[in-house]
Amino acid sequence: AQSVTQLGSHVSVSEGALVLLRCNYSSSVPPYLFWYVQYPNQGLQLLLKYTSAATLVKGINGFEAEFKKSETSFHLTKPSAHMSDAAEYFCAVSDQRGYQKVTFGIGTKLQVIP
Amino acid sequence: DAGVIQSPRHEVTEMGQEVTLRCKPISGHDYLFWYRQTMMRGLELLIYFNNNVPIDDSGMPEDRFSAKMPNASFSTLKIQPSEPRDSAVYFCASRQGPLGNTIYFGEGSWLTVV
Repeated sequence: AQSVTQLGSHVSVSEGALVLLRCNYSSSVPPYLFWYVQYPNQGLQLLLKYTSAATLVKGINGFEAEFKKSETSFHLTKPSAHMSDAAEYFCAVSDQRGYQKVTFGIGTKLQVIP
Repeated sequence: DAGVIQSPRHEVTEMGQEVTLRCKPISGHDYLFWYRQTMMRGLELLIYFNNNVPIDDSGMPEDRFSAKMPNASFSTLKIQPSEPRDSAVYFCASRQGPLGNTIYFGEGSWLTVV
């Protein structure tokens, strides 16, 4: 069964510092991987996705993630945090067999300290 | 373009009452998903439809929950009778076509059962 594990339910960074949100996945076949962001009182919106093309994926708002098969990881990074990045971030996985479910992680709340 | 539209945005109801949540997916999207978000369990897939047909309802917690999609532009999630443990944010989401495509979320329906 597919699953994702997000390490750290809360992460705090200083404004201007590196953002690193960790995600490890489990899938018996090559996965599709996603990062979504949720701002307060809103729905989720896609940040970026990996669908077996380039392993380094660039998304919106300066975020990027790298698919590492050997480590079964898909960590999200941003070189310099901005106050507007404060939100909850969800990693998600689905396999490529046509199984249509996307399984979400528990989420990581990012706090940006001025 | 209009996104996924959900109603009501907020609902407070008494235990035992029937609750109906509504969703209008993005026009042209052939997949529709209902998710539930709670602090304890994160984001859970309840049911999804493809071309108005329910494909997998294994996430529906119990028989008190039911979902319908009478046409391509409307879906409902019904809880009858409601219980306090059903309090959560319910998200509707839609997607066009294959698995790797983006899922678009509505802003959610915040349900409180007292």
